[in-house]
Amino acid sequence: QQQVKQSPQSLIVQKGGISIINCAYENTAFDYFPWYQQFPGKGPALLIAIRPDVSEKKEGRFTISFNKSAKQFSLHIMDSQPGDSATYFCAASGGSGAGSYQLTFGKGTKLSVIP
Amino acid sequence: EPEVTQTPSHQVTQMGQEVILRCVPISNHLYFYWYRQILGQKVEFLVSFYNNEISEKSEIFDDQFSVERPDGSNFTLKIRSTKLEDSAMYFCATQPPGADTQYFGPGTRLTVL
Repeated sequence: QQQVKQSPQSLIVQKGGISIINCAYENTAFDYFPWYQQFPGKGPALLIAIRPDVSEKKEGRFTISFNKSAKQFSLHIMDSQPGDSATYFCAASGGSGAGSYQLTFGKGTKLSVIP
Repeated sequence: EPEVTQTPSHQVTQMGQEVILRCVPISNHLYFYWYRQILGQKVEFLVSFYNNEISEKSEIFDDQFSVERPDGSNFTLKIRSTKLEDSAMYFCATQPPGADTQYFGPGTRLTVL
């Protein structure tokens, strides 16, 4: 019930195209859904995050779409650039007391943007 | 911009040896986490720490693991007797009060031979 399922495992997109990564969760106690970007040899860095009270959040070229009833959320990268090539992780967390919110991560999507 | 720092960046140890991984959180952050990532796999939660005690821990965090904040600034993860399967990247993350975002450090690559 703690799982977050992420797809696809890898994605190749042409420069200027749209990259779409999907995640699904089961635990209805989850109430915070961040996306992290990770470059090789680096730690995950927060890209964008959403709470279930909104269905979409946009920051620049990055958009999260959230479907509460389906328990799914997705990351859209518009106008994908070679510099976006990285591994993307979706994650989820839910209130568990004491303000401590462990993140449950998906397995990651390796995005390659080709010129 | 303040960052979470971790030392060492790479630690090589023999099986059965003790290792201590260190993290310097962003100042004013109150919640601290350790995660690990085995090569090519997802990031997994180990333990969270708040108000000088463990808040939550996963089933991975067994008696071989311990955490502490010895001097009020550093946050450490100790593995008492390392096993081959402890080889992974270990990430420290910290979180400010009243916010959801966890900020990750660059990680320590632990190699157990």
